[in-house]
Amino acid sequence: DIQMTQSPSSLSASVGDRVTITCRASQGISNYLAWYQQKPGKVPKLLIYAASTLQSGVPSRFSGSGSGTDFTLTISSLQPEDVATYFCQRYNSVPLTFGGGTKVEIK
Amino acid sequence: EVQLLESGGGLVQPGGSLRLSCAASGFSFSSYAMSWVRQAPGKGLEWVSTISGTDDSTYYADSVKDRFTISRDNSKTTLFLQMNSLRAEDTAVYFCAKSRSGGQAAAVNYWGQGTLVTVSS
Repeated sequence: DIQMTQSPSSLSASVGDRVTITCRASQGISNYLAWYQQKPGKVPKLLIYAASTLQSGVPSRFSGSGSGTDFTLTISSLQPEDVATYFCQRYNSVPLTFGGGTKVEIK
Repeated sequence: EVQLLESGGGLVQPGGSLRLSCAASGFSFSSYAMSWVRQAPGKGLEWVSTISGTDDSTYYADSVKDRFTISRDNSKTTLFLQMNSLRAEDTAVYFCAKSRSGGQAAAVNYWGQGTLVTVSS
């Protein structure tokens, strides 16, 4: 099975900072990659699909890039409401594997 | 507005069974793949199972294969997960999830609120 490795597992940054989260697939998955945000005690929310397509209603400070095995989620200017855990997920084939998550906190 | 409402969770002894339901509304239910995703307490997300919206093909994680069965009733716009031979490691919040398309290769764009399954003696 294709494994998804996210890094870092956690980070702390200041409001206004540019934040980058990485997701690496153990094999190529083209652009079948989604990013989700899960705020504490809440349900996951789709941010990006097809590696770089912003889901409707998601603020433009979120962006995604990559193809094949290496992907990134970027928050261009971190806001207090962005405190959450972020997960990547591949969906090119089953099993639809999630990354381990990246917990983002405000410094 | 898309709504996904899970029910059926609870406390069950190891080896027992539970049937989860997810009542869906606000979209053309039969046209979309539906999934179950779980999250153990304090842990990450784990995909459990998907049923296609095109041909009702079913897919399972190795950890639940031969123990769990996903199904759907398009007339009642309801998704099910029959869980047998439950183990302590199945303890988690189970989310009902709607895919962006009918096939299994699609991101999840809507999530239910989740139902807690606790397997313990």
